[in-house]
Amino acid sequence: DGGITQSPKYLFRKEGQNVTLSCEQNLNHDAMYWYRQDPGQGLRLIYYSQIVNDFQKGDIAEGYSVSREKKESFPLTVTSAQKNPTAFYLCASSMAQPGANVLTFGAGSRLTVL
Amino acid sequence: AQRVTQPEKLLSVFKGAPVELKCNYSYSGSPELFWYVQYSRQRLQLLLRHISRESIKGFTADLNKGETSFHLKKPFAQEEDSAMYYCALGLNSGGYQKVTFGIGTKLQVIP
Repeated sequence: DGGITQSPKYLFRKEGQNVTLSCEQNLNHDAMYWYRQDPGQGLRLIYYSQIVNDFQKGDIAEGYSVSREKKESFPLTVTSAQKNPTAFYLCASSMAQPGANVLTFGAGSRLTVL
Repeated sequence: AQRVTQPEKLLSVFKGAPVELKCNYSYSGSPELFWYVQYSRQRLQLLLRHISRESIKGFTADLNKGETSFHLKKPFAQEEDSAMYYCALGLNSGGYQKVTFGIGTKLQVIP
């Protein structure tokens, strides 16, 4: 069953703690993305990666970090520096080719900071 | 900088009425435009893309480069069309494929 798996589905965190969201894909896609989805603000790009060991900041990268040690995996760490971390986080992947920017999305992870 | 604008956060139409979800973009290069849809309790998924020029679930969208628009249209709305719709712009940024989304429009089809 090919697709993108995000975990955990729900996560609670105390202020001042870092938390890591997992994203794994078995679609053999080169590109992976992290978006944050907030009501009334749509999807905002946090980080994206096109190849292993390389990634780029998106529009709202402050307070977040990522790694891309394997093609299949693109974990997102929400650090204590992120001022408003409570949100719904979406991971996506695509073939990294011009004209092939179709994204496949995971089910999302909802982070709540207590 | 690239930008996608969806002017309506909520659009309510009666069943059987025509639907038009507006999308405008700003980008100096050759854009790839998409519409994604998120039904209740389902994953965000691709509805259609301008390159394909196809009709999906009765929806069509035409890229108008002069007006920098990519409006989504359907002649007769159905209740199952109620969902969140996002317009998206795909581009090549420094060799990287980047996709920017609008804020989304919630379509509510009234029975």
